[in-house]
Formats: sequence, structure tokens, C-alpha cells
Amino acid sequence: GDSVTQTEGQVALSEEDFLTIHCNYSASGYPTLFWYVQYPGEGPQLLFRASRDKEKGSSRGFEATYDKGTTSFHLRKASVQESDSAVYYCALSDITGYQNFYFGKGTSLTVIP
Amino acid sequence: NSKVIQTPRYLVKGQGQKAKMRCIPEKGHPVVFWYQQNKNNEFKFLINFQNQEVLQQIDMTEKRFSAECPSNSPCSLEIQSSEAGDSALYLCASSPPGLGGSQNTLYFGAGTRLSVL
Repeated sequence: GDSVTQTEGQVALSEEDFLTIHCNYSASGYPTLFWYVQYPGEGPQLLFRASRDKEKGSSRGFEATYDKGTTSFHLRKASVQESDSAVYYCALSDITGYQNFYFGKGTSLTVIP
Repeated sequence: NSKVIQTPRYLVKGQGQKAKMRCIPEKGHPVVFWYQQNKNNEFKFLINFQNQEVLQQIDMTEKRFSAECPSNSPCSLEIQSSEAGDSALYLCASSPPGLGGSQNTLYFGAGTRLSVL
């Protein structure tokens, strides 16, 4: 079945560090890929999505590129801030009739000022 | 700010008690999902609806959980007899109509945090 794998469970960085969170997926065809962010006490918020090979999604300085060849959608940010501390989820949806969604286990990012 | 409204934000119940939570999906979104998010941040799909009809649900939902999305009323998720293992964040999400592309996106509410004592 479809699945999403996030390599990093926890990441600790200093402000202005470069961030990479790895996401690999397993699915047939061209699923839609997502990054969500969840702050404490809130529900997940959509960061961005991508639906086609080589499509880049971006928001708030974060970006990721859909790569069907390596089945990856890695999240990157050039310079993190303390306010970026949150849990980040990679997800995919296939387009079989009922909109099935699959979430990674999340990566907890802590940015130290 | 999320346009999916979930109430209450917090719910405390004793074991064996009923627990009911509600969700108003984003306007114009006919598809509604319920997820259970555990303390390890894992998402567990419970049930989804398109308009008032159930599309999919897991076995657990069929036994102690019930859910509905009546016309012109909030959607609801009810646990008939709460157990300690039900303590979690319950997330409601809605999705625009259609399949494929930008329509395949979940928009989440803030969640209802259930504590079963």
C-alpha cells in the first residue's frame, strides 16, 4: 500500500541554520504530496502541495520539489527562526475514489535562539 | 486561521462515559474526515463523509464510535463508551469537491483533545 517515510524524528537547530527534513513516499502513479506544520495546541496547517514531477511547492521560506525518480519530497529552508519550531508532516493523497491520505510520523523541529 | 471549526477544544470524560465532539467544515467543502492523533503524533483515519454519506470507516469506528454529517448541522463524532486508550487529539478536516490536483487537500480544524480518566 501507499506510505510516507520521514527519516528524522527530531531535529534541533540554531537560528539561521539550514533545514532539511527528508520525505520519501511509496505510491503508484502521481500522488499529490503535501507538507503540513502543526504548532502546539493547534491542528495541522497546510504549508504547500505539489502534484506533478519536478513541481516545486513553497511557502514562508520553506520549499520542496516533487521528484518521482527518487520518490522524494524533501523539505528545506535556508535560514530557520525560533518561530519555525513545530512538528512537520509529509503526506500524500492518491486519487482513488475516496481521497485516501497517508501521513508520515512527523518531524519535531526545535530552533534554539 | 483555520476555517474548520471544532468544539469543544477540550473534553474530559470518565471511563464508560459518552464523549461527543462536533465539527463545522469549511464552507463549500462536501468531504469531511475524522482522524485520531495519538501522543506519538500518529494519524489514525476513523471515517470520512461526502455530504451526508459515509465513504469509508475503519472497524473500530463501527463498534464504539459513531459519526454523522447531517445536512445543515455540524458533523459529529461520538464515542459511546470511552476507554483510556481513546485519549487523543481528534482532528476534523474538510476537503473541496472533485478529485485530483488542488481538490485533494485536507484543511484541518484545531482539534478536540479528549482525556479519559
